[in-house]
Amino acid sequence: DGGITQSPKYLFRKEGQNVTLSCEQNLNHDAMYWYRQDPGQGLRLIYYSQIVNDFQKGDIAEGYSVSREKKESFPLTVTSAQKNPTAFYLCASSTRQGQSEQYFGPGTRLTVT
Amino acid sequence: AQSVSQHNHHVILSEAASLELGCNYSYGGTVNLFWYVQYPGQHLQLLLKYFSGDPLVKGIKGFEAEFIKSKFSFNLRKPSVQWSDTAEYFCAVGGNNRKLIWGLGTSLAVNP
Repeated sequence: DGGITQSPKYLFRKEGQNVTLSCEQNLNHDAMYWYRQDPGQGLRLIYYSQIVNDFQKGDIAEGYSVSREKKESFPLTVTSAQKNPTAFYLCASSTRQGQSEQYFGPGTRLTVT
Repeated sequence: AQSVSQHNHHVILSEAASLELGCNYSYGGTVNLFWYVQYPGQHLQLLLKYFSGDPLVKGIKGFEAEFIKSKFSFNLRKPSVQWSDTAEYFCAVGGNNRKLIWGLGTSLAVNP
């Protein structure tokens, strides 16, 4: 089955801890994205990557970090510097940025207390 | 500044009613337009898209959207909604090698 997997589905952490969210795709897509979805705020772009070993900040990158060492993988680390980390995080991929549809994973709901 | 505006935040309809969700954008240059849907508990998925050609595009599940360039609009329509259309709908606009800009979403509830 081709698609995007995100794990885990639910994640709980204590304040002050860094946490890494996994995103893997087997669609052979070049571009990958991380979004944050909060009620009434739509999708906000955290980071995106158009090719391996390259990534750019999105609109709300502060307190987050990413890596893109492999084409299939784009993990997101939510650091302790992120002031309001509790949210639903969505990973997506596409063949090319802006020109093609994005395919989404099931999301990870992170709760930090 | 680039932006996408979805006029209706919450819509409640009865089954068999007609649906139109508004989407207007501010985005320079050539645009690619998308409507995505997020059913309860499911992945965000593509409903339909417009890149070029016929401005009236048809998507899955009987949805269609019309691109009106002069109005910078890409409204989503369905002649007769069903309970199963209850979902959140997002409009998004992109361009060549540029990131997608997303609307805030419209929550649709269809009463049986």
